[in-house]
Amino acid sequence: GAVVSQHPSWVICKSGTSVKIECRSLDFQATTMFWYRQFPKQSLMLMATSNEGSKATYEQGVEKDKFLINHASLTLSTLTVTSAHPEDSSFYICSARDTGKETQYFGPGTRLLVL
Amino acid sequence: KQEVTQIPAALSVPEGENLVLNCSFTDSAIYNLQWFRQDPGKGLTSLLLIQSSQREQTSGRLNASLDKSSGRSTLYIAASQPGDSATYLCAVSGNTPLVFGKGTRLSVIA
Repeated sequence: GAVVSQHPSWVICKSGTSVKIECRSLDFQATTMFWYRQFPKQSLMLMATSNEGSKATYEQGVEKDKFLINHASLTLSTLTVTSAHPEDSSFYICSARDTGKETQYFGPGTRLLVL
Repeated sequence: KQEVTQIPAALSVPEGENLVLNCSFTDSAIYNLQWFRQDPGKGLTSLLLIQSSQREQTSGRLNASLDKSSGRSTLYIAASQPGDSATYLCAVSGNTPLVFGKGTRLSVIA
């Protein structure tokens, strides 16, 4: 089946630093990738939709200057949390949609802890 | 705006019981509905996907049904096992990307 990887799987950083998370589709091409955030005991909340070669579409309330998304190839999207603060600590999950299909495949998630 | 609700929020059952998890959604104009499993601190594992034209899907001890007109889906787990303990998430796909419910936390007690 289709596999999506995320790197790193977890990261601890100091407040004010920037953190980059990678999402890769390993055996298929993904024109569209999605970034979700999940707080403890809450469901996944869509942050943004990332389309290869174009600007990401952000959900209401998500700061595009804080959460920078780049989707430069059909197999890689990156999320950069700029000037991270403790309230950004969360579980970040990406998913990738196989081009021309409806199904989304999810990555294993990245746990971010900002001290 | 699509909203997905899952009931109950938490469920604890003894091993061997059959159980039903419920999911409801407000906008019936969906492409498909998926059930996922999430273990603590882990990502999502897709369990079943039901297209809007389908009524149910089965995989092993799992059976998911879909009644699009009433905006409801159920996930039936037969002969539950301790290894089934996890959070089960329902998500619907329509004109917007997947919209998730808050999940049902299942504990199966040996």
